[in-house]
Amino acid sequence: DIQVTQSPSSLSASVGDRVTISCQASQDISKYLNWYRQKPGKAPELLIYDASNLHTGVPSRFRGSGSGTHFTFTISSLQPEDIATYYCQQYYHLPYTFGLGTKLEIK
Amino acid sequence: EVQLLESGGGLVQPGGSLRLSCAASGFTFSNYAMNWVRQSPGKGLEWVSVISGSGGNTYYADSAKGRFTISRDNSKNTLYLQMNSLRAEDTAIYFCAKVSLPAAIHDALDIWGHGTMVTVSS
Repeated sequence: DIQVTQSPSSLSASVGDRVTISCQASQDISKYLNWYRQKPGKAPELLIYDASNLHTGVPSRFRGSGSGTHFTFTISSLQPEDIATYYCQQYYHLPYTFGLGTKLEIK
Repeated sequence: EVQLLESGGGLVQPGGSLRLSCAASGFTFSNYAMNWVRQSPGKGLEWVSVISGSGGNTYYADSAKGRFTISRDNSKNTLYLQMNSLRAEDTAIYFCAKVSLPAAIHDALDIWGHGTMVTVSS
């Protein structure tokens, strides 16, 4: 199985800060990585697909980049409603695998 | 509005069975592959299974192989997950999720249901 290592596991930042989360795959997965946000008690929501494409309706402060084995997710200006856990997911090869998540808190 | 609504969760004893359903609306159900993803209490996300739009292709995580069966009834716009020989470690919220692109099996999951809780305990 392809392992997806996400870091950090938790993060505390202030409103307006730039926030960055990393995801590293155990083998080359080309562009086949997605980013999801899960607010407490809710279902996950797709934010970024294929490493760098913004899903419909997602605010432009969210950005994804990378290819191969190293990927980055960035929130350019943290908003209070961004409190959530963020997950990366590879779908290059079955079984699809998720990172363990990054819990984002507001300082 | 595109919507997915899971049902069928509950409390079941180890070794028991349960069938989950996911009712879809707001899109042409048969055009899209569908997935089940689960989340154990306080834990991360684990992909369980995917089925193609026609139902002709299915894939499973190793944890589900031989015990779970994914299926769909396109005339009823409903996805199913039959779970047999349930174990304590199957305790989780089970989400159904739609892929983003029609005709694709392997794709981002753009719409998720709210989930249904399955508890395996004696």
